[in-house]
Amino acid sequence: KQEVTQIPAALSVPEGENLVLNCSFTDSAIYNLQWFRQDPGKGLTSLLLIQSSQREQTSGRLNASLDKSSGRSTLYIAASQPGDSATYLCAGGGYQKVTFGIGTKLQVIP
Amino acid sequence: DAEITQSPRHKITETGRQVTLACHQTWNHNNMFWYRQDLGHGLRLIHYSYGVQDTNKGEVSDGYSVSRSNTEDLPLTLESAASSQTSVYFCASSESGGMGNSPLHFGNGTRLTVT
Repeated sequence: KQEVTQIPAALSVPEGENLVLNCSFTDSAIYNLQWFRQDPGKGLTSLLLIQSSQREQTSGRLNASLDKSSGRSTLYIAASQPGDSATYLCAGGGYQKVTFGIGTKLQVIP
Repeated sequence: DAEITQSPRHKITETGRQVTLACHQTWNHNNMFWYRQDLGHGLRLIHYSYGVQDTNKGEVSDGYSVSRSNTEDLPLTLESAASSQTSVYFCASSESGGMGNSPLHFGNGTRLTVT
């Protein structure tokens, strides 16, 4: 059974800092690893999707990497801004199931 | 732009009542999903559909049902609402293929309170 863990549960950083969010999963037989952002009272917004054959994906200030052998994915946010404050969730996609982590709540302080 | 619309955004109902949550997507996706989100838990899958007339149970399907009569809609029905079903419900969709093959797109959720 796939389990997805995100550490830390909450993170507070000053504006401008580069930061890394971590996601670990127990089953390396995943099809993809997806990172989402969730703002309070809103649904999940897809940020990056890494297919199992890929090692990383980039979008603007965001970079996500996937290491299936170690069961880890990281989301790197460069030059953080107050607008980046949100909860970030990762989800491991298997053929018949997508397993979500509980998320890391990020606060970027101006 | 394509989107997923959920209604209502908020709902308060009494124990034992039947409740239906609506989900409408304009992505033209075959795959549609219902999740619930509770504090301390990751999103948990309730029901899913891979196309018209296809429905499947997820990991927390007891007390819920869905029907898929067209591509755009997947309503979620709580047959007899219970306090344990107080939660935030999200509808999602993705392109064809296995559940984990393509990006998931989400609606903004319905917050359901059962009193």
